[in-house]
Amino acid sequence: DAGVTQSPTHLIKTRGQHVTLRCSPISGHKSVSWYQQVLGQGPQFIFQYYEKEERGRGNFPDRFSARQFPNYSSELNVNALLLGDSALYLCASSWGGANTGELFFGEGSRLTVL
Amino acid sequence: AQSVSQHNHHVILSEAASLELGCNYSYGGTVNLFWYVQYPGQHLQLLLKYFSGDPLVKGIKGFEAEFIKSKFSFNLRKPSVQWSDTAEYFCAVNRRDNYGQNFVFGPGTRLSVLP
Repeated sequence: DAGVTQSPTHLIKTRGQHVTLRCSPISGHKSVSWYQQVLGQGPQFIFQYYEKEERGRGNFPDRFSARQFPNYSSELNVNALLLGDSALYLCASSWGGANTGELFFGEGSRLTVL
Repeated sequence: AQSVSQHNHHVILSEAASLELGCNYSYGGTVNLFWYVQYPGQHLQLLLKYFSGDPLVKGIKGFEAEFIKSKFSFNLRKPSVQWSDTAEYFCAVNRRDNYGQNFVFGPGTRLSVLP
């Protein structure tokens, strides 16, 4: 069975550019969450989407946005990139959107901002 | 704001040694608790979870964790580690009064097991 898939796996951008990261959840999962993991730290919550609606938002600036499509895949967009946005961006899916769910993670998209 | 702390940044053990990794969280309400593991080059995987009931939970690969509500702790244990347990371990908390799945992760503990 396919797990959570993310693309691209690695990318390099320069300051001020825009990036779009993509995620396909496990088949049957309706919730997608995005996390940012800076080197040496634990993942930090950015967004959760369930049934195409935003269910939660972490403490990130408005440069970060996301959406979920009818097939439950998701995109994370980051505008006006800063050096500090360099991180591993993780997507996680779960069957339901409730707070009793467990998360299944993808391998991440590693973003380097120069 | 809710936070999760992990006692050790890096733990080095020999094979067959016992392991205990500490985790404390700051939220006073009801929580769901998780330990995730990240093996070298792999994605985060669930090791075990606690939602309710018996505070001693067993996970995969011989790991267990004990929830002590009075201490706001959820420590991970394994009686005898193997070289293959070398990985980064993350404790995570999700508040029950959250509408969704805002998991708060600790900073992680890197475990190195020497053969």
